[in-house]
Parts: sequence; structure tokens; C-alpha cells
Amino acid sequence: QKEVEQNSGPLSVPEGAIASLNCTYSDRGSQSFFWYRQYSGKSPELIMFIYSNGDKEDGRFTAQLNKASQYVSLLIRDSQPSDSATYLCAVTRRKLIFGQGTELSVKP
Amino acid sequence: ETGVTQTPRHLVMGMTNKKSLKCEQHLGHNAMYWYKQSAKKPLELMFVYNFKEQTENNSVPSRFSPECPNSSHLFLHLHTLQPEDSALYLCASSLDTFSNQPQHFGDGTRLSIL
Repeated sequence: QKEVEQNSGPLSVPEGAIASLNCTYSDRGSQSFFWYRQYSGKSPELIMFIYSNGDKEDGRFTAQLNKASQYVSLLIRDSQPSDSATYLCAVTRRKLIFGQGTELSVKP
Repeated sequence: ETGVTQTPRHLVMGMTNKKSLKCEQHLGHNAMYWYKQSAKKPLELMFVYNFKEQTENNSVPSRFSPECPNSSHLFLHLHTLQPEDSALYLCASSLDTFSNQPQHFGDGTRLSIL
């Protein structure tokens, strides 16, 4: 079992829709959870982090954490073509572990 | 200048060359990292430094040699690389390695081995 798992996609959504990106992790002691966005040929950019169970909202982005289910998700409301990128889930306990990333494509 | 800066942005080298990648951070962080990202593959952690001390070497071949002279600078010395070493090399920094704070990435060096 991979330590951090994401569907590689591509996930395709129409412009204006909600994009839902999911991530599961294996270490029940994980403490911090991050979402990075990576455009093709560019470096990862931190967009959200969450430490506690529940939802955390920042603009069009909402991170959701459920530690009992070892599941973290990222919702992007009113998706825009500029949101098209690979989204990396990262989980930390003593070190940061990245998932393989989910490619998101937002179609105009 | 702020953030994490990597130079050069692109590097083409032969298998017998010796070159170095440089990373500098202006965030006041104490931990620095080297990652390798090959096409369509997840980020691979290579080395971790915390307060100038190497704390992790993720089974990286000896043809990659890191150096961390201070908390703001990190180098990756390259020699006798192989074609499969062609990849994007990313540097990152964080406050430290134990407070679970996020890592911030540089723009990377795109390395091509001829």
C-alpha cells in the first residue's frame, strides 16, 4: 500500500463546476496535510493546509480532513481553465510524503 | 529577493562532466531538501538537511553529492551522471523538519544528460 494515494486522473470538469480531488494516507499518526498545485514544467505551489478534522475554506478552495477514515480532499468551486494543473496531496508526521498527484483539466 | 531561488534553471551536461546545482532561500528556514521529479512520476525525496546537518539520504547514488554550508544555501554536486538522471531537480525549504510546517519550493533545475 502506498503511503499517500491519489487517483492520477485526468479528472475533467467543465468550467464553473466543482472539482473534487481525493487523497488517502496510510499512517494513522499523520499530523499535517497539504495540497500543492503544480503547473506543467513548474514547481509545486502550496495552496492549502489543514491540521484538524473538518473543513477549511480559502476562497474557492475547501480542504476536508477525516482522520478516522484517513482521507483528505480538496474541493475547487467555480472551476476555471486556469485551475488546470496537477494537484499533489502531501502528508507529514516526521517527514513529508507526497502522493503521485491528480491531473485536473477544466474545459471552457 | 524572497522565496527559494534555484540556479541554473536549465542544465545540459555530458555523462563525464561535473556540475553543481545551487539553491538559496530567503525565508529564514532551517531545513532544506532536494527532490527529483521525473516525467509522470511522483516527487522523490533525495536529501534532507536540518540546521546544516544531513538528516536523510534516501538511498541516492553517490554520483549525487549534497552540500549545505549554512541554513540558507544548499548545493547538489553532480558527476558521471547517467541518462536516467535527466529530470527536474527541486529544492525546498521549511521552518525545520519537526514542526510539520509546509515546504516551499524553488522553480527547479531542468537537467538533461546527453
